[in-house]
Parts: sequence; C-alpha cells; structure tokens
Amino acid sequence: GAGVSQSPRYKVAKRGQDVALRCDPISGHVSLFWYQQALGQGPEFLTYFQNEAQLDKSGLPSDRFFAERPEGSVSTLKIQRTQQEDSAVYLCASSLGTRKLFFGSGTQLSVL
Amino acid sequence: GDSVTQMEGPVTLSEEAFLTINCTYTATGYPSLFWYVQYPGEGLQLLLKATKADDKGSNKGFEATYRKETTSFHLEKGSVQVSDSAVYFCAPGQGGSEKLVFGKGTKLTVNP
Repeated sequence: GAGVSQSPRYKVAKRGQDVALRCDPISGHVSLFWYQQALGQGPEFLTYFQNEAQLDKSGLPSDRFFAERPEGSVSTLKIQRTQQEDSAVYLCASSLGTRKLFFGSGTQLSVL
Repeated sequence: GDSVTQMEGPVTLSEEAFLTINCTYTATGYPSLFWYVQYPGEGLQLLLKATKADDKGSNKGFEATYRKETTSFHLEKGSVQVSDSAVYFCAPGQGGSEKLVFGKGTKLTVNP
C-alpha cells in the first residue's frame, strides 16, 4: 500500500488478555518505530527496529510488552496480561532512515 | 534525558490571525528539530524540520527557526486558515538515532 497500515483499528480487551497489534510499513522502509499515545498526550517512544534488528527497546514499559519484526518488514507489538493502564493509541511509523517518519493511523486499545 | 516543553492548548483563533506555538527542548548536542501535525482522523505527518542552528524550516505557510542559544523551535504562521485546525507536535531528534521525543501537542482550532 501507499502508507503505513495498522490493524486492527480498534481493539477492546478484557484485563489479563493478551493482544497483538500489527504494523505494515511502507515497502522498502528500513526503520520502524512503535509509539504509545495516551489521550491528550504526545506519542511516547516504545521501540525501534532497523530491518529485523531491534536496536532500541528502552521505552517498553514492562516485560509484558514485546515487539518483533522477524523478516524486516511487518512488525507485531504484543502485550501480555493487559492492564487498564495499557489503554492508549499505539502508533507505528516507518522511514527510509532519513528521520522523516511516516505514521499509521494507529490502533486504539481499550482494556476493560 | 532529552525532553521538550510545548505551549499548552487549546488555541482558538479566527481565520487570518497570526499563530505562534512555542517549543523549547533540552537535548544532548545539537539535535535535528521537527514539527509534526495530526489532522482530525489522520495519522501524524511531518510538517517541517531544521537540522542545524539558524536553519529555518517552512511548509504550507508555517515556519520555525532553530535557535540554538535559546534551545527553541517556535512554530509560526502569518495567516491561519480553517484547514489548519489540527494538533501540532514539536519533536527534537535524539542524538545520532532516528528516535524522536514528542511534546504533548497543541490543539489549534481556527474559526471562520
């Protein structure tokens, strides 16, 4: 596709449930980022990949959060045993390595 | 660590009014500086950038000048339009990586 695609667009989970959020970056983009955006706040960095290598995961809030990009293209952000404080919009962005990030529309996660 | 302080909103202006959104940052070294914009229902997109001191980024009538001495990157537009209604995010780049640190965002509403 022409842009960064994220799915699902909305996800409702019961507390304690595991969720998986998918990101399809722009074809050929080597860099991929995950950000978390709480309501009324700016995006907070979670993790960064260059191709399949996870170069920075300093923003992952706990060991319940896990991200992968096994073939250097599609990425999945997994959250285990979801908690209410995990409710947020999860944004994926990709780039050619030029610092011009292209963002997807995000996945809005609501944990009940 | 690196951080950014952005003027809090919301900001409401009449069409053709002058806009300033203040942004100051703390960072190691001399980061590249970015403004991103999020229109209603859309993903974040790059508005403009500046990569070194005294650079002026510009796009769609918006301008921002990289002021090293005041560590600021204020966003300005001489005459806003209704279509400029959006949330604006200031984002310094962090060191040698592509990682961006986002401000909390400033919501702008322009009334006809």
